[in-house]
Amino acid sequence: DAGVTQSPTHLIKTRGQHVTLRCSPISGHKSVSWYQQVLGQGPQFIFQYYEKEERGRGNFPDRFSARQFPNYSSELNVNALLLGDSALYLCASSDRDSDRFSYEQYFGPGTRLTVT
Amino acid sequence: AQSVTQLGSHVSVSEGALVLLRCNYSSSVPPYLFWYVQYPNQGLQLLLKYTTGATLVKGINGFEAEFKKSETSFHLTKPSAHMSDAAEYFCAVSLNTGFQKLVFGTGTRLLVSP
Repeated sequence: DAGVTQSPTHLIKTRGQHVTLRCSPISGHKSVSWYQQVLGQGPQFIFQYYEKEERGRGNFPDRFSARQFPNYSSELNVNALLLGDSALYLCASSDRDSDRFSYEQYFGPGTRLTVT
Repeated sequence: AQSVTQLGSHVSVSEGALVLLRCNYSSSVPPYLFWYVQYPNQGLQLLLKYTTGATLVKGINGFEAEFKKSETSFHLTKPSAHMSDAAEYFCAVSLNTGFQKLVFGTGTRLLVSP
């Protein structure tokens, strides 16, 4: 089976622009989470979606938004890009209910976003 | 709020030597603990996890970790390092927040020399 896939692999944007990142979970997984990993730091939780509903949100500004589609794939949108948004954006999927906090999350390879 | 502290941003060992990567957590309730590994230009791969039960947890690639509640620690060990173990290692904690959220430490880069 294919793992979590993310597109694009790399992206370069200019300050003030908008970006959309995409994630396809492992087949059968209904939960998708997004994390931001700034260089030299651990990943920071942004969102979790389960069955197309937002179940959790991290401490990120409203410029960050996401959605999940009927096929459980997901998009992360960031508006009005800042230099500080440059990071590796990781998507993770899980095959358990959203409140089953102990189950493993499977991570994709990430999208490297550079804001200039 | 829960947090994770990884002591040592870099750890260097010789091939065949013991690997010890330290992780301490702060939590007011019993946590669920994870160790992930990240190879260059790749995502995160789960090494092992502690949820309940036995406090010594065995993972993939010969790694293991022991949950010590009294010390609020979850250190990662491997008896004999291989060159292929060189990577970034992250400790993470998850609580029953009603949704899945992992809180990660800042990571420890393991360097293995011949």
